[in-house]
Amino acid sequence: QKEVEQDPGPLSVPEGAIVSLNCTYSNSAFQYFMWYRQYSRKGPELLMYTYSSGNKEDGRFTAQVDKSSKYISLFIRDSQPSDSATYLCAMSAWGGATNKLIFGTGTLLAVQP
Amino acid sequence: GAVVSQHPSWVICKSGTSVKIECRSLDFQATTMFWYRQFPKQSLMLMATSNEGSKATYEQGVEKDKFLINHASLTLSTLTVTSAHPEDSSFYICSARDRATDTQYFGPGTRLTVL
Repeated sequence: QKEVEQDPGPLSVPEGAIVSLNCTYSNSAFQYFMWYRQYSRKGPELLMYTYSSGNKEDGRFTAQVDKSSKYISLFIRDSQPSDSATYLCAMSAWGGATNKLIFGTGTLLAVQP
Repeated sequence: GAVVSQHPSWVICKSGTSVKIECRSLDFQATTMFWYRQFPKQSLMLMATSNEGSKATYEQGVEKDKFLINHASLTLSTLTVTSAHPEDSSFYICSARDRATDTQYFGPGTRLTVL
């Protein structure tokens, strides 16, 4: 079993839709959770970073963590064609950027105008 | 925001040659840099962790003699793929830790094709 599971998609939605992206994990030691956006042939860009259960909001993006269920989600409101990219969840057992991140396989999202 | 650059952005080389990829933090000091490789439609796989002024720590299964990493300064790390073969063709991405904010930032990646 992989440490982090993520539905690879592809996920296609119309512009303006609410998008839900999800990851599950098996390692209860993971305490820090991140979402990255990666455009084709580019490096990942950090979108959200959280370390506690509950919701964290930043503009149109909301990250949700449920440690009891080992489940995290990223919600995108009012999705735009520019949101079309691969979204990667990443996790770490310890805080701080010196520690190894474990990535999901990524979900390819296409927002249709 | 913090910017990480990689050079070259893409490279094509013949089998048996060596290729050097540079990773630079442009506006911050990075005591720690990470090197990943990514195959098409797959996630990032950590290859090694590089700390400035010391030897890199390689992940299990990554050949340290084939993938040479040097982190000689707080803004530069290099990955050299020695005696490259077609199976080394991949997308190589570095990330750098901004010690002021304790955040990891990724470079744009280098696409290596070995003929």
